[in-house]
Amino acid sequence: NAGVTQTPKFRVLKTGQSMTLLCAQDMNHEYMYWYRQDPGMGLRLIHYSVGEGTTAKGEVPDGYNVSRLKKQNFLLGLESAAPSQTSVYFCASRTGQGDNQPQHFGDGTRLSIL
Amino acid sequence: DAKTTQPNSMESNEEEPVHLPCNHSTISGTDYIHWYRQLPSQGPEYVIHGLTSNVNNRMASLAIAEDRKSSTLILHRATLRDAAVYYCILRDWGDSSYKLIFGSGTRLLVRP
Repeated sequence: NAGVTQTPKFRVLKTGQSMTLLCAQDMNHEYMYWYRQDPGMGLRLIHYSVGEGTTAKGEVPDGYNVSRLKKQNFLLGLESAAPSQTSVYFCASRTGQGDNQPQHFGDGTRLSIL
Repeated sequence: DAKTTQPNSMESNEEEPVHLPCNHSTISGTDYIHWYRQLPSQGPEYVIHGLTSNVNNRMASLAIAEDRKSSTLILHRATLRDAAVYYCILRDWGDSSYKLIFGSGTRLLVRP
């Protein structure tokens, strides 16, 4: 089972460059989430989506944009990368059925910005 | 969102039980208690959740205090594979986004 797949797994950018992180899930889940995790810290929610065509801000949305054009994909964009955005990025998805179904996470994208 | 407090780290010996505490003194009546864990270099994975009663599953048990201001995740026999960061998270059942707010968690070290 593929589950939640994140692309790429690693990336190095220069300050000011742009890039898009892709999250794909094959579980037909309604909800999708993007988190970042800095060294020694817990995950912080960047943006999330409760369904195709919808997005909402999380705890730390500044400097990021997202799109959910297809149900199975959730894209995270950095328009002008900054060193402060060096982090590990995790995507998660969740079914819309049931009140306490778990979130399923990908293995992360390690992003370094020089 | 109500907050949780967990010890930064704990140690255990392999094949012994582990009790991971979590304090949530400001928990509301609509908050579920969720536990996730994060193995090294992986994304978090769900462990267990509960509301008022103690819960058991194949991975762990969750003991919830009668006043719900604290809870304990119990691993009955720790293995080396259980070495991870364990997160205790409160989720308001009225939040239709089902988002999770992570703290810094407890890093569990398991000695062989």
